[in-house]
Amino acid sequence: GEDVEQSLFLSVREGDSSVINCTYTDSSSTYLYWYKQEPGAGLQLLTYIFSNMDMKQDQRLTVLLNKKDKHLSLRIADTQTGDSAIYFCAETINYGQNFVFGPGTRLSVLP
Amino acid sequence: DSGVTQTPKHLITATGQRVTLRCSPRSGDLSVYWYQQSLDQGLQFLIQYYNGEERAKGNILERFSAQQFPDLHSELNLSSLELGDSALYFCASSEGGGQSSTDTQYFGPGTRLTVL
Repeated sequence: GEDVEQSLFLSVREGDSSVINCTYTDSSSTYLYWYKQEPGAGLQLLTYIFSNMDMKQDQRLTVLLNKKDKHLSLRIADTQTGDSAIYFCAETINYGQNFVFGPGTRLSVLP
Repeated sequence: DSGVTQTPKHLITATGQRVTLRCSPRSGDLSVYWYQQSLDQGLQFLIQYYNGEERAKGNILERFSAQQFPDLHSELNLSSLELGDSALYFCASSEGGGQSSTDTQYFGPGTRLTVL
């Protein structure tokens, strides 16, 4: 099927690391994306990874890709209260013809 | 600020009515995508236009239609509105229209549609 799967909720303490996981479906996906949606706002592109990479690091964000298991993760180091949001992973399917989003993981950062 | 603009920000209307949502892509972007975000359905891809032509179709109802104009702005038309059409409608744009890094999508702030 075309379902991208994510766990729906994650709570972490401020200062800890957060790991948000995603399972995607299309092995032909060339790029995989992470978007952040704050309350009442649109989706903000956080980062993307090319499918021939295993890892991409961008400041506090680390993306890991396991292409064999079709598993993508987003690690946020030193999580802050401003990181509280919904995080969506997305893939392109049908050789770029469609964009499919996961259901989103709601990250709550506790003081 | 992603550079994608959408109007109006909020829209309240009644069942059976017709509305038009507008989107202006980032400067230089040729593709426009429309999405519907509702509580029960999540984020659903509706339709994509590339340089004025329909490129891909997702879960778009027959009551809905879209177009992209020569200046590359796009409009999403929703007709015979039902209560279940209440949702956030997002537009996104990208430089290209296929599967490359130029096709990274940048989202607008959304239009919140409430159907009473």
